[in-house]
Amino acid sequence: AQKVTQAQTEISVVEKEDVTLDCVYETRDTTYYLFWYKQPPSGELVFLIRRNSFDEQNEISGRYSWNFQKSTSSFNFTITASQVVDSAVYFCALSPFYNQGGKLIFGQGTELSVKP
Amino acid sequence: EAGVAQSPRYKIIEKRQSVAFWCNPISGHATLYWYQQILGQGPKLLIQFQNNGVVDDSQLPKDRFSAERLKGVDSTLKIQPAKLEDSAVYLCASSLERSTDTQYFGPGTRLTVL
Repeated sequence: AQKVTQAQTEISVVEKEDVTLDCVYETRDTTYYLFWYKQPPSGELVFLIRRNSFDEQNEISGRYSWNFQKSTSSFNFTITASQVVDSAVYFCALSPFYNQGGKLIFGQGTELSVKP
Repeated sequence: EAGVAQSPRYKIIEKRQSVAFWCNPISGHATLYWYQQILGQGPKLLIQFQNNGVVDDSQLPKDRFSAERLKGVDSTLKIQPAKLEDSAVYLCASSLERSTDTQYFGPGTRLTVL
């Protein structure tokens, strides 16, 4: 079965705190892609990152960083020095390579609230 | 570069009425997706087109939902007749090709069925 679990439904932090959003996935495919999207109150899903299953290097982009650990089937997302503008729902998604359509299988999402 | 366009942004209808949503993908993107996002959940794929052919419609409730992508560009998703449980945000996404390319999403259409 292909599945993505985001166990944290809601997280609330104070501005400038660091916060980590957890993502655990299940797939039998050896080749797959993982994604993070941000959904602000406006509703549009904004692409943040894509990683393939063969690239386990951590990635940093400004205040954002991602930790991919194949051994634990996790792809966690950390925001350093959070800001109010980071408040949104964040989705982790899986795309199995051999799935014909390349459809995204989304987790339930984590709602992040950053308070000033 | 223009993003994925969708209209209308909001729609309120009575149950058993019909409704249609429109999507214009990013220029040059061959693959187009329609997702349904129920409040509090992640999006779920309804149908995927590669150019103007259907690749995956396994989760589309075909007794009431239909979609088309004429000429491989714009797409329309229709619901007829609508049920209360169809209340959701309908998201359109596009990608250059399928399988591995990043999907870019439009702003969505929020449907309320009364």
